Amino acid sequence: QSALTQPASVSGSPGQSITISCTGTSSDVGAYNYVSWYQQYPGKAPKFMIYEVTNRPSGVSDRFSGSKSGNTAFLTISGLQADDEADYYCCSYTRTTTYMVFGGGTKLTVL
Amino acid sequence: EVHLLESGGGLVQPGGSLRLSCAASGITFSHYGMSWVRQAPGKGLEWVSFITESGASTKYADSVKGRFTISRDNSKNTLFLQMNTLRAEDTAVYYCAAMGGSQSVYAFSYWGQGTLVTVSS
Repeated sequence: QSALTQPASVSGSPGQSITISCTGTSSDVGAYNYVSWYQQYPGKAPKFMIYEVTNRPSGVSDRFSGSKSGNTAFLTISGLQADDEADYYCCSYTRTTTYMVFGGGTKLTVL
Repeated sequence: EVHLLESGGGLVQPGGSLRLSCAASGITFSHYGMSWVRQAPGKGLEWVSFITESGASTKYADSVKGRFTISRDNSKNTLFLQMNTLRAEDTAVYYCAAMGGSQSVYAFSYWGQGTLVTVSS
């Protein structure tokens, strides 16, 4: 059981927008703005997409955006493209002994 | 360009030991906290361990506490993970990841390509 809860899968058509949720607790997502998101293609290393809930590292498309409400963080991808099809993971700092916790991952399918 | 290159993975019997290394280039290694993150076959990402920039402080996931030891050599830009008393459930691709720099200290800014550890008899 992952510490953060994500939907197993989401899908959308090219050009549409989708949102992936990431639900934690008042010890992690709800307590700090230290949520990050990662994109991973099969057999490849994860790629850093979002940090501190809303910030994009240099080089990441502005089609990717992050937000948070209470204990749930969100990743929104607008203008879906075929190469957005990948697994997406959220991660948060936690004040428990675990230190960093990941979500279980969400498989995005572009129809 | 940043490169993190892991090595040391392989097949090991249950109860055995393995030492992973991660060689960093393209970053000022001593300015970054470093973590190991693993991914079991077909599963999600799991944070394993963290070490501060100086190496003075470390943290571990409960699943590896007491069995794994993280360390670093800033003079050689290298991160290590000593894994003892290995179990079948430790089978995974192990990634090293750099944390901090110009981004958040609580995010994994750069990732290596991973090294596969298989624990099996």
